[in-house]
Amino acid sequence: EAGVAQSPRYKIIEKRQSVAFWCNPISGHATLYWYQQILGQGPKLLIQFQNNGVVDDSQLPKDRFSAERLKGVDSTLKIQPAKLEDSAVYLCASSLAGTPYEQYFGPGTRLTVT
Amino acid sequence: AQSVAQPEDQVNVAEGNPLTVKCTYSVSGNPYLFWYVQYPNRGLQFLLKYITGDNLVKGSYGFEAEFNKSQTSFHLKKPSALVSDSALYFCAVRDSYTDKLIFGTGTRLQVFP
Repeated sequence: EAGVAQSPRYKIIEKRQSVAFWCNPISGHATLYWYQQILGQGPKLLIQFQNNGVVDDSQLPKDRFSAERLKGVDSTLKIQPAKLEDSAVYLCASSLAGTPYEQYFGPGTRLTVT
Repeated sequence: AQSVAQPEDQVNVAEGNPLTVKCTYSVSGNPYLFWYVQYPNRGLQFLLKYITGDNLVKGSYGFEAEFNKSQTSFHLKKPSALVSDSALYFCAVRDSYTDKLIFGTGTRLQVFP
């Protein structure tokens, strides 16, 4: 079974630039999550999708972050404009609808904002 | 507020010795508890969970965790550590109000040959 795929693996941008991350969940997983993991901290949920609908985006900084999940499969997370404090690893995870606590994580995208 | 705490930033253990990675929690209602492991340059991998049932939960790679309600703890254990167990370990709890996972800050396990 293929795992959660993410790209790119690494990205370096200057502040005020924009960036986009892509995630392809495990086939058949209805629920998709984006987490932000700042160095030295645990992952923090940014947004959760159930199929192509948003379940929870309460911790997404909506003035600069946006996310979509077209057709209920792939998802993209965008930051525009980026700030220095956005430097982090962005993790995508997916799960079956019936087992939301058994989340399968992708390798993450390490973003450095200079 | 519901939370989980990992009091140790790093745990060092010699290969072959038993290991314990500590986790305590604070939740309303019955806790749903989880352990994840993160190897370098890789995503988090699910190790085990406690939702109900036996207090001793067995998971992947020979790990187990003991749920202790009176001490509000969910420590991760392994009888004999391997060098390959060296990684970052995260304890997590389900937020009973929002159903989200709340992660601890992580404990780095270093197993020395």
